[in-house]
Amino acid sequence: KAGVTQTPRYLIKTRGQQVTLSCSPISGHRSVSWYQQTPGQGLQFLFEYFSETQRNKGNFPGRFSGRQFSNSRSEMNVSTLELGDSALYLCASSLGGGQYEQYFGPGTRLTVT
Amino acid sequence: LAKTTQPISMDSYEGQEVNITCSHNNIATNDYITWYQQFPSQGPRFIIQGYKTKVTNEVASLFIPADRKSSTLSLPRVSLSDTAVYYCLVGAPTAAGNKLTFGGGTRVLVKP
Repeated sequence: KAGVTQTPRYLIKTRGQQVTLSCSPISGHRSVSWYQQTPGQGLQFLFEYFSETQRNKGNFPGRFSGRQFSNSRSEMNVSTLELGDSALYLCASSLGGGQYEQYFGPGTRLTVT
Repeated sequence: LAKTTQPISMDSYEGQEVNITCSHNNIATNDYITWYQQFPSQGPRFIIQGYKTKVTNEVASLFIPADRKSSTLSLPRVSLSDTAVYYCLVGAPTAAGNKLTFGGGTRVLVKP
């Protein structure tokens, strides 16, 4: 079974721009979660989508948004990029219904200059 | 979610057993204990999960005492490739969804 895939793997953007990251979960997985990882703050939960609905949300500003499509693929958008948004953005999928065994993708490394 | 405390870092040598203890004094009745492993520039990988006593799989063992206020991840005969950050998480899988809360983790360095 193919693992979680994320595109692009690397991205460089300028302050004020917006960016969209994509995540394709493992086939059959209906839950997709997004995390931000930085050296200073560690791994932080952004939000989770299940059956095209946002089910959980972390403590991030409204500039961070996401959506999930009917095939469970998910996108994450960050608007008005700030330098502090530079991070590794990780996507994780699971069967859903509350599973602590989540499968993470390789991440997208976003650099904001 | 219950707060966890684990050592910031540990050093070991190839072939040794590594034991990482995680404290979770406020663990709730329904909470499980889960460990993830993360290599640099990769996403975390699920290692093991348990509720009480001992759980073993092909990668590690998880020891949980009767009071469940702590747990120990045991990695037998580590190799250089086991150098990674190990995260202890405590929480209850629910139908309300997933929201993993990662602490600082333990950075394990395996030396030759």
